[in-house]
Amino acid sequence: EVQLVQSGAEVKKPGESLKISCKGSGYSFTNHWIAWVRQTPGKGLEWMGIIYPVDSDTRYSPSFQDLVTLSADESINTVYLQLSSLRASDTAMYYCARRTVGATYLDYWGQGTLVTVSS
Amino acid sequence: EIVMTQSPATLSVSPGERATLSCRTSQSVSSNLAWYQQKPGQAPRLLIYGASTRATGIPARFSGSGSGTEFTLTITSLQSEDFAVYYCQQCDNWPYTFGQGTKLEIK
Repeated sequence: EVQLVQSGAEVKKPGESLKISCKGSGYSFTNHWIAWVRQTPGKGLEWMGIIYPVDSDTRYSPSFQDLVTLSADESINTVYLQLSSLRASDTAMYYCARRTVGATYLDYWGQGTLVTVSS
Repeated sequence: EIVMTQSPATLSVSPGERATLSCRTSQSVSSNLAWYQQKPGQAPRLLIYGASTRATGIPARFSGSGSGTEFTLTITSLQSEDFAVYYCQQCDNWPYTFGQGTKLEIK
């Protein structure tokens, strides 16, 4: 069974940093890119970026280019999303999702990680 | 960035009836479009990709059509489990973008 399991909910203060993990199992981890998607009530679903775990080739959405860093550790089938200088507006649900082979559709999703930024 | 516009924002339909959801893109995305379903407290689920191909395990009552800038998701014979929020997403042009969603509610 394909699974993406994300790390748990976080509560952070403005200005702090955060790293969320996403561990894949049940499939060949090296065959699929992993995307990160943010969801907020105000802006809905937003693509943040996508990473290929084998060589860490990464593409960032312009809206998130300077805000996030994606990384991967192929040896443990895990990708990471790092958010720096958190603001209240970063309060959101963050999802990782597996990209299909050959086209950028997201066929399996993690359960989501709720991040709350509050002073 | 391609802007995705879904309509209506909310659609009220009775169980057993048909629902038709629309997605318009600000420029052509060919057939590089997907539909996702999201229920409260859950991650989105891929329903349709390539504008008209059902994902694995998706019932035949879900169908997608369209190309270019106009797309439709049709759900026939609505079941109770179909009431959810539906999003379209284009993957023709980076950055890939989602629509704002259509909430399908029970009439």
